[in-house]
Amino acid sequence: AAGVIQSPRHLIKEKRETATLKCYPIPRHDTVYWYQQGPGQDPQFLISFYEKMQSDKGSIPDRFSAQQFSDYHSELNMSSLELGDSALYFCASSSGLGSGEQYFGPGTRLTVT
Amino acid sequence: AQTVTQSQPEMSVQEAETVTLSCTYDTSESDYYLFWYKQPPSRQMILVIRQEAYKQQNATENRFSVNFQKAAKSFSLKISDSQLGDAAMYFCAYGSGNTGKLIFGQGTTLQVKP
Repeated sequence: AAGVIQSPRHLIKEKRETATLKCYPIPRHDTVYWYQQGPGQDPQFLISFYEKMQSDKGSIPDRFSAQQFSDYHSELNMSSLELGDSALYFCASSSGLGSGEQYFGPGTRLTVT
Repeated sequence: AQTVTQSQPEMSVQEAETVTLSCTYDTSESDYYLFWYKQPPSRQMILVIRQEAYKQQNATENRFSVNFQKAAKSFSLKISDSQLGDAAMYFCAYGSGNTGKLIFGQGTTLQVKP
């Protein structure tokens, strides 16, 4: 079965640069969630989209923005990168909000030097 | 706001024995789900088991079962016949029935001894 696809899998950037992370949900899934997991920490919810509209917002810095496109894929844009942004970024998808089933992608490992 | 607490940073179990990981949560919502996720060294998030809050019956998945005590807001995971491949970080998570977002506990590292 098709799973959530994230690209790139690894990304190295320097401070103050920008990064774009992409997420392709499972086919027919209309909801996307983004999570950030710092080293040795639990995943923290950043933002979510349902039917191309932002549905909820968590602890996402103002330097970050995201959107969901007409084909339901989503992109997380990160600007003015800081060392503290180094983390594993997960995307998860589901069919509908609050459906109780959320499938995670493999994550994008971002390293900021 | 919802919170999830895992009070056991590390646990160990002998291969083939049984271990229970603890989790408590707090919420004022009536519609929610609870999950246990496994995160091996590859850091992939793997869903182990899921419980709907409106269901009284405890969920089971092969060697994995939960003890869901709704009034006490407790959601523990029991792993029976532990295997070496069960060694990983385990996260308890709360899922809102309204927005779907997940709130994770701090995690419990499980070591399985041969």
